[in-house]
Amino acid sequence: GESVGLHLPTLSVQEGDNSIINCAYSNSASDYFIWYKQESGKGPQFIIDIRSNMDKRQGQRVTVLLNKTVKHLSLQIAATQPGDSAVYFCAENQGGATNKLIFGTGTLLAVQP
Amino acid sequence: EPEVTQTPSHQVTQMGQEVILRCVPISNHLYFYWYRQILGQKVEFLVSFYNNEISEKSEIFDDQFSVERPDGSNFTLKIRSTKLEDSAMYFCASTRQADPSGNTIYFGEGSWLTVV
Repeated sequence: GESVGLHLPTLSVQEGDNSIINCAYSNSASDYFIWYKQESGKGPQFIIDIRSNMDKRQGQRVTVLLNKTVKHLSLQIAATQPGDSAVYFCAENQGGATNKLIFGTGTLLAVQP
Repeated sequence: EPEVTQTPSHQVTQMGQEVILRCVPISNHLYFYWYRQILGQKVEFLVSFYNNEISEKSEIFDDQFSVERPDGSNFTLKIRSTKLEDSAMYFCASTRQADPSGNTIYFGEGSWLTVV
């Protein structure tokens, strides 16, 4: 079936380094993707989104890259800080009448001081 | 920044009991959702709600589940007869429009349900 999934379940980086979190999706018809950050015991927090008519979008310290050819999405975090430690989920928005999200399995980002 | 609020933050209930989880979506939002996350697993869609009716539901959302918007501000999820496997974090979410472009889906902090 259609799914959104992550390659790496855990990513450990040093403070100040750049982080790259990857995601593969399988629904080629999807046209909107979001990255969420989830801290322990909290709800998903919106980070950045991208539509399929773009291949790159930048925010503050974060960049999302979309490669539709290989159905791959990545989240880059520049100068990673301890506060970035969390689980990161990619999500596919299937749009239509309901705006339902299909989440991937998540990557735990651990930032070492 | 406006936020989605949920109560209770944690509830422990006996198997077979009814549970109601409450949510106050962001005030000008029109689309409401419930998601759940079993410990250590991904977030799963349960149901979407618009114009006072369910617009889509997942296979998880069986006859034991129901949603309601009783008073124009609250949005509730009821589990009629809880099972052990209902233990999870339940997230409420809302958005202003269904068109995803520029309409972020905001999540609450979650209600942790433990069924014993």
